[in-house]
Amino acid sequence: GQQVMQIPQYQHVQEGEDFTTYCNSSTTLSNIQWYKQRPGGHPVFLIQLVKSGEVKKQKRLTFQFGEAKKNSSLHITATQTTDVGTYFCAGGGSQGNLIFGKGTKLSVKP
Amino acid sequence: EAQVTQNPRYLITVTGKKLTVTCSQNMNHEYMSWYRQDPGLGLRQIYYSMNVEVTDKGDVPEGYKVSRKEKRNFPLILESPSPNQTSLYFCASAPGQGTYEQYFGPGTRLTVT
Repeated sequence: GQQVMQIPQYQHVQEGEDFTTYCNSSTTLSNIQWYKQRPGGHPVFLIQLVKSGEVKKQKRLTFQFGEAKKNSSLHITATQTTDVGTYFCAGGGSQGNLIFGKGTKLSVKP
Repeated sequence: EAQVTQNPRYLITVTGKKLTVTCSQNMNHEYMSWYRQDPGLGLRQIYYSMNVEVTDKGDVPEGYKVSRKEKRNFPLILESPSPNQTSLYFCASAPGQGTYEQYFGPGTRLTVT
């Protein structure tokens, strides 16, 4: 079936450093969504990208959707301790479902 | 308040004892889904429902059953739980198709001994 690969699995950064997580699919996605799960919490929707080459920003977070709609990235500038958590990408599949990546767990050292 | 609720939040049970985890949403969403989350494996879809009386298997449906008799409710049934079903379970809902933004419940941590 369709799969979305996400890397890296873990990322440890010093507070103030930048962070990026990447998602790749072998098939074209109808859209890409990003979720954040705080430790002990549930996934919470961050953003959705639909258009080829789309770029969206939320304060220090920048989201990109590739031109071929097969890859995406989330970049956090100047990480803070509040950014700690697991970030999931989820791609819209051909069967009307979301296909989740395995997530990138971000830890931030103050 | 718009939300997805799950009960129970924590459950410890024994192998073979049937159990049901309830899920309810108050947003009139058509789509509902169950996921399990295990370390290193991310979120894996168990079953989903596009609407009332319509359910489909996800990636890991073995050992689980679901029903969608009402729009707001989507219970997950484990007829004969086994230790490999020990996991963190999330229910989610979305308006329209599953490719829309999904709203997750708080999770149910299940331990099967």
